[in-house]
Amino acid sequence: NAGVTQTPKFQVLKTGQSMTLQCAQDMNHEYMSWYRQDPGMGLRLIHYSVGAGITDQGEVPNGYNVSRSTTEDFPLRLLSAAPSQTSVYFCATRGGFSEGFGYFGPGTRLTVT
Amino acid sequence: AQTVTQSQPEMSVQEAETVTLSCTYDTSENNYYLFWYKQPPSRQMILVIRQEAYKQQNATENRFSVNFQKAAKSFSLKISDSQLGDTAMYFCAFILGGSQGNLIFGKGTKLSVKP
Repeated sequence: NAGVTQTPKFQVLKTGQSMTLQCAQDMNHEYMSWYRQDPGMGLRLIHYSVGAGITDQGEVPNGYNVSRSTTEDFPLRLLSAAPSQTSVYFCATRGGFSEGFGYFGPGTRLTVT
Repeated sequence: AQTVTQSQPEMSVQEAETVTLSCTYDTSENNYYLFWYKQPPSRQMILVIRQEAYKQQNATENRFSVNFQKAAKSFSLKISDSQLGDTAMYFCAFILGGSQGNLIFGKGTKLSVKP
């Protein structure tokens, strides 16, 4: 089992460029989510999905799009990158509470110049 | 809305000593779960310990234990016999029970274990 994988690990973008952060999981979890981590801010929820075809906004959704066409994949799209989107991005899935809850990918460090 | 507060941005402890990290939360619900996550310099998020709100007994995992005070909405993490490998960011997190809940994180406490 690979668990939760994210690509790329690092990315530098120029303002206005677009890109997609990839997230894949092999645990057959219905729930997937994207968080961003900024110094002194903890992790804040961007978007989440409770199953294929179902997505919803989290705390900080502006500037990001998501879609969920399969159980395995949950890509995060930056439509027009801004310096304020410089952050570390985590994809996370959720199993049952008895499993310990919360499986995180290794993160993507994104810098927008 | 639920909130999680960690009032200690940074802490340090000597190796082999005990340290307690504080966390308070706010909710009007009764069915919820609390977690502590560790994030070492590798950036990987690691679940340290979890507590179900309906359980009165405090959770323990080896050197890690919690003091869960439901009435006070407090959920502190105690690390005993601190080791250099415990140096990390620690995040307290909350989730409502039920399938639709999202994890809500505190801002974190940076713990340094000194030799």
